[in-house]
Amino acid sequence: DGGITQSPKYLFRKEGQNVTLSCEQNLNHDAMYWYRQDPGQGLRLIYYSQIVNDFQKGDIAEGYSVSREKKESFPLTVTSAQKNPTAFYLCASSTGQNQETQYFGPGTRLLVL
Amino acid sequence: AQSVTQLGSHVSVSEGALVLLRCNYSSSVPPYLFWYVQYPNQGLQLLLKYTSAATLVKGINGFEAEFKKSETSFHLTKPSAHMSDAAEYFCAVRAYNFNKFYFGSGTKLNVKP
Repeated sequence: DGGITQSPKYLFRKEGQNVTLSCEQNLNHDAMYWYRQDPGQGLRLIYYSQIVNDFQKGDIAEGYSVSREKKESFPLTVTSAQKNPTAFYLCASSTGQNQETQYFGPGTRLLVL
Repeated sequence: AQSVTQLGSHVSVSEGALVLLRCNYSSSVPPYLFWYVQYPNQGLQLLLKYTSAATLVKGINGFEAEFKKSETSFHLTKPSAHMSDAAEYFCAVRAYNFNKFYFGSGTKLNVKP
């Protein structure tokens, strides 16, 4: 089955720790995205990548980093510089063509200990 | 610049009643418009999308939306609500030739028996 997988489903971060959220897709999509979701605020774009080895900052990139070494993988690292990381993180992908839809993974909930 | 406004963070209807969720957008170029549904602790699932082929768009689960350029609106409707429709709904816009999606803040639909 084609789709997007995110792991882990729940992640706990200690003070000062970096954590990495995994996102893998087997849809052969060029574009991948990371969003942060907080109650009542909808989805806010953290980073996006339109092609391997290239990515752009979204609206709330501070305290986050990404890499795109493979087409199917787009991991997100939440660094210790992100002071309020508790949120639901969603990964998405699309073909990158104009009319194409974004498809979403099941999400990772990050909690701070 | 693109943006989306969803009027009403919470909407409550009785089972069998009409569902109307409002979405207004702003876009400096012809837009592509989407409605997504999210169930608790899950990713987003596409309900329907407008890509300029027809102004009335039919989606899954009996939902439809009408694109009205003069009103810059893309409201989501369903003639008869079902208990399983209770979820959060997001409107999103993507401008032609831009690879970023902009999401509204979401509307939680409650269906009363």
